[in-house]
Amino acid sequence: GQNIDQPTEMTATEGAIVQINCTYQTSGFNGLFWYQQHAGEAPTFLSYNVLDGLEEKGRFSSFLSRSKGYSYLLLKELQMKDSASYLCAAMDSNYQLIWGAGTKLIIKP
Amino acid sequence: SQTIHQWPATLVQPVGSPLSLECTVEGTSNPNLYWYRQAAGRGLQLLFYSVGIGQISSEVPQNLSASRPQDRQFILSSKKLLLSDSGFYLCAWSPPTDYSPLHFGNGTRLTVT
Repeated sequence: GQNIDQPTEMTATEGAIVQINCTYQTSGFNGLFWYQQHAGEAPTFLSYNVLDGLEEKGRFSSFLSRSKGYSYLLLKELQMKDSASYLCAAMDSNYQLIWGAGTKLIIKP
Repeated sequence: SQTIHQWPATLVQPVGSPLSLECTVEGTSNPNLYWYRQAAGRGLQLLFYSVGIGQISSEVPQNLSASRPQDRQFILSSKKLLLSDSGFYLCAWSPPTDYSPLHFGNGTRLTVT
């Protein structure tokens, strides 16, 4: 079956760095997406990886290892506004997204 | 630029009543359209997706239905709501190409009482 695993909740301190991990098992693979979702709001697209390696976008970076079925989202210089849920989604061979349950990130001052 | 509109933002409906949620996309043609549901603290569950007018694929058997009467309009309906239909409903669109990210509407918070 198809499955996405990510931690349910993480806590980090303002100004620090946090890494949110995601492992996936899909029928075929066409890339890995990360979304940010603030409480009560819709998800917004953060990043897409289809090749191995690190993609950097300002304070956010996303890494992919296809051989390990593993990705992480790295958030640097954490700000209070980064408190949100982070959703990992893998695209299978039919170009359908398989979603994780999300990681709730709590930022403390 | 492309925008997606979804309404209403919140809805409280009694059990057994009908439902109609509407979503429209502007600034693009022939988008892929999606309806998702998110239960509290849970991941996104794909309900329906559409790659063109009148073309609807259902992912989960339930008392909901979807229609796409126009290229950029997607409607989620029910004839009789159940308590279990409560949740956060999200419409999304993507370009008609592979590997494209989804872009979500603001969502509808539905409470069935």
